[in-house]
Amino acid sequence: GEDVEQSLFLSVREGDSSVINCTYTDSSSTYLYWYKQEPGAGLQLLTYIFSNMDMKQDQRLTVLLNKKDKHLSLRIADTQTGDSAIYFCAENYGGATNKLIFGTGTLLAVQP
Amino acid sequence: NAGVTQTPKFRVLKTGQSMTLLCAQDMNHEYMYWYRQDPGMGLRLIHYSVGEGTTAKGEVPDGYNVSRLKKQNFLLGLESAAPSQTSVYFCASSYPRERAYTEAFFGQGTRLTVV
Repeated sequence: GEDVEQSLFLSVREGDSSVINCTYTDSSSTYLYWYKQEPGAGLQLLTYIFSNMDMKQDQRLTVLLNKKDKHLSLRIADTQTGDSAIYFCAENYGGATNKLIFGTGTLLAVQP
Repeated sequence: NAGVTQTPKFRVLKTGQSMTLLCAQDMNHEYMYWYRQDPGMGLRLIHYSVGEGTTAKGEVPDGYNVSRLKKQNFLLGLESAAPSQTSVYFCASSYPRERAYTEAFFGQGTRLTVV
């Protein structure tokens, strides 16, 4: 199947770290992605990781990839109220075609 | 640089009516996609296109048709709208996979209500 699964909701306090988790299905995916959707807007690419990497750090963002378990996580350090949004993980599914399959999305609510 | 533009932004249809959603991109992208977003279900791929004149089915294609007559445009049609098609529709475009990682660029969405 093409299920990419995430927990639906996460609530954290401002200044804490947030960890959003994702499980994916296609072990042949070359890249895995995190997209952010702010209220009333489309999705924007936040970060990505190549499948031969275990970790990628980009300022406050840390992506961890466990290929054996097909598990992807996004850690946001020092979470701010501006980080409140829906976060989607995504994978390229289908080999040669560039079909992006998205997870169910995690709503991150940051409490002041 | 407009990016990906969707029209209309909002629409209310009666059951059985037809309509076409238009997506236009000015980035010379080969790949274009139509997704629908429903609460608790994330984004589900309806149809996609890997180039001008080509289309392919995604996860939930039933009740929709698409056309890609020009590279910059990707049209999504509903021939006979049903209440189950009430959703927010997103168009996206991207470079082909060969250009390293894929960044999909999204439109602002079309909120469609079928009554």
